[in-house]
Amino acid sequence: AQTVTQSQPEMSVQEAETVTLSCTYDTSESDYYLFWYKQPPSRQMILVIRQEAYKQQNATENRFSVNFQKAAKSFSLKISDSQLGDAAMYFCAYPRAPNTGNQFYFGTGTSLTVIP
Amino acid sequence: DTGVSQDPRHKITKRGQNVTFRCDPISEHNRLYWYRQTLGQGPEFLTYFQNEAQLEKSRLLSDRFSAERPKGSFSTLEIQRTEQGDSAMYLCASSPSGFAKNIQYFGAGTRLSVL
Repeated sequence: AQTVTQSQPEMSVQEAETVTLSCTYDTSESDYYLFWYKQPPSRQMILVIRQEAYKQQNATENRFSVNFQKAAKSFSLKISDSQLGDAAMYFCAYPRAPNTGNQFYFGTGTSLTVIP
Repeated sequence: DTGVSQDPRHKITKRGQNVTFRCDPISEHNRLYWYRQTLGQGPEFLTYFQNEAQLEKSRLLSDRFSAERPKGSFSTLEIQRTEQGDSAMYLCASSPSGFAKNIQYFGAGTRLSVL
């Protein structure tokens, strides 16, 4: 069974500093996608970044980047130059295979606090 | 593109009552998903639709739960005879198709409190 594990329930970072959120997953698939979603308090979940497993290059979106280690099944999110608006719950997500529904498996989340 | 909308945002009900939630996906998306999120947890899959067809239901979806998506547009999730354990955030998401690369776009959710 596919699982997603986020081992850091809470993290904090000083404004303008860098923080890394961890995620590990388990799958028997060879080609797949991985996602990080952000869920601000009382607001909807939005996509932060997406990584395709067969691409060796780590995905980057502005201040957000990933460290994807396929062999280790690790998919961490790095936030550079942290801003107050980055404070949120962050979820790592792995989609089930497309021919079986493609619904996401989510980790338990990491609550990120940004300290002014 | 107005995004995924869910109604109501909050629902408080007494145990044993029936409740219904509505989700309006992004208009061109043919996939629609329902998830449940309890405090301190990530969302858990409940069911999904490809157009109007409900293709899979999680074992989390007991027989008190029913979902529909008439005409492949909006969807409703009904919970009959609510229990305190049903208290959670119910999230709806939509995507253009079932391809693995596709992003799921989420609504803000309906928070259910069963007293």
